[in-house]
Amino acid sequence: KQEVTQIPAALSVPEGENLVLNCSFTDSAIYNLQWFRQDPGKGLTSLLLIQSSQREQTSGRLNASLDKSSGRSTLYIAASQPGDSATYLCAVKGNDYKLSFGAGTTVTVRA
Amino acid sequence: DAGVIQSPRHEVTEMGQEVTLRCKPISGHDYLFWYRQTMMRGLELLIYFNNNVPIDDSGMPEDRFSAKMPNASFSTLKIQPSEPRDSAVYFCASSWGQGLEQYFGPGTRLTVT
Repeated sequence: KQEVTQIPAALSVPEGENLVLNCSFTDSAIYNLQWFRQDPGKGLTSLLLIQSSQREQTSGRLNASLDKSSGRSTLYIAASQPGDSATYLCAVKGNDYKLSFGAGTTVTVRA
Repeated sequence: DAGVIQSPRHEVTEMGQEVTLRCKPISGHDYLFWYRQTMMRGLELLIYFNNNVPIDDSGMPEDRFSAKMPNASFSTLKIQPSEPRDSAVYFCASSWGQGLEQYFGPGTRLTVT
């Protein structure tokens, strides 16, 4: 069974600092990996999707990398803003097409 | 597009009652997923459909849970009878194909007293 771990569980940074969020998974036979954002009491918003054949994806201030062989992905958020405060979830889709989620990293960006 | 629509947004019911959660996926999406989120277990996949057909229901916790998708624009998740341990946020998500992003609804927060 795929196990997805996100470290740290919580992170607090001053505005303007770059954020680095880590995700690791146990089974490297993945179909793709997706990063989500979840605001309190809300649903999940998809941020980036990386296919298993890709090494990274970028969208604005967000960049996600994927190293399938080592079972790791990293989400970078440049020049953080208070509006980036949320919980970030990593989800891995296996070859059974089911998403396995990490527990998330809760980010607080201090103004 | 309005995105994935779920109703109700909040449901409070007493133990033993039947609960029905509803989902309207994004038009044109051929996959629909039901998830449950709790503090203890995080996000768990309950069941998913492809072209209205249930493909994998191995995540459904017990026979008290059932899901249907009578057409491409509507799905229900039913709990009968409900128990306090069913209290959670239930999300519906949809996608076009297996390889593309899943889009989540706002969720239904269920409280069983």
